[in-house]
Amino acid sequence: KQEVTQIPAALSVPEGENLVLNCSFTDSAIYNLQWFRQDPGKGLTSLLLIQSSQREQTSGRLNASLDKSSGRSTLYIAASQPGDSATYLCAVSDTNAGKSTFGDGTTLTVKP
Amino acid sequence: EAGVAQSPRYKIIEKRQSVAFWCNPISGHATLYWYQQILGQGPKLLIQFQNNGVVDDSQLPKDRFSAERLKGVDSTLKIQPAKLEDSAVYLCASSDWDGLTGELFFGEGSRLTVL
Repeated sequence: KQEVTQIPAALSVPEGENLVLNCSFTDSAIYNLQWFRQDPGKGLTSLLLIQSSQREQTSGRLNASLDKSSGRSTLYIAASQPGDSATYLCAVSDTNAGKSTFGDGTTLTVKP
Repeated sequence: EAGVAQSPRYKIIEKRQSVAFWCNPISGHATLYWYQQILGQGPKLLIQFQNNGVVDDSQLPKDRFSAERLKGVDSTLKIQPAKLEDSAVYLCASSDWDGLTGELFFGEGSRLTVL
């Protein structure tokens, strides 16, 4: 059974800092890994999708990496802004039927 | 392109009452998911449909929860009777998992409060 862990559960940084969020998973037989952002009271917004054959994906100030062999992914946020404050979730989908398992998220606060 | 639509956004009911949530996925997406998200936790899969068929419902409490997907498009999730611990956000998602990227797209969710 796939298990996904995100550490830390919460993170507070000053504006402008570069930061890394971590996601680890127990079963390396994955189809893809997806990072989401969730604002309070809202649904999940997709940030980056990494296929199992890829090592990283970039979008603007965001960069996500994937190391299947070690069961790890990181989300790098450059030059953080107060608008980046949200909960960040990672989800791993399996190869059998695309079932996705989520971590519990990291709640990020960027202070002005 | 229209996103995943869900309704209602909010629902407050008494325990032992029933409630139904509706989801319309992105056009052309064969795979539809219902997730339950309890405050402070990540979403937990309740049921996954591929077209009309159920792929995974291993975590659906079948004594009180039911879901259907008519004609492989819209889906309804029902809870009857509701318990206090069912208070959560119910998220619907869809994807093109069948052979393509498998990217998940979520609706805004339906927040249920059981009193």
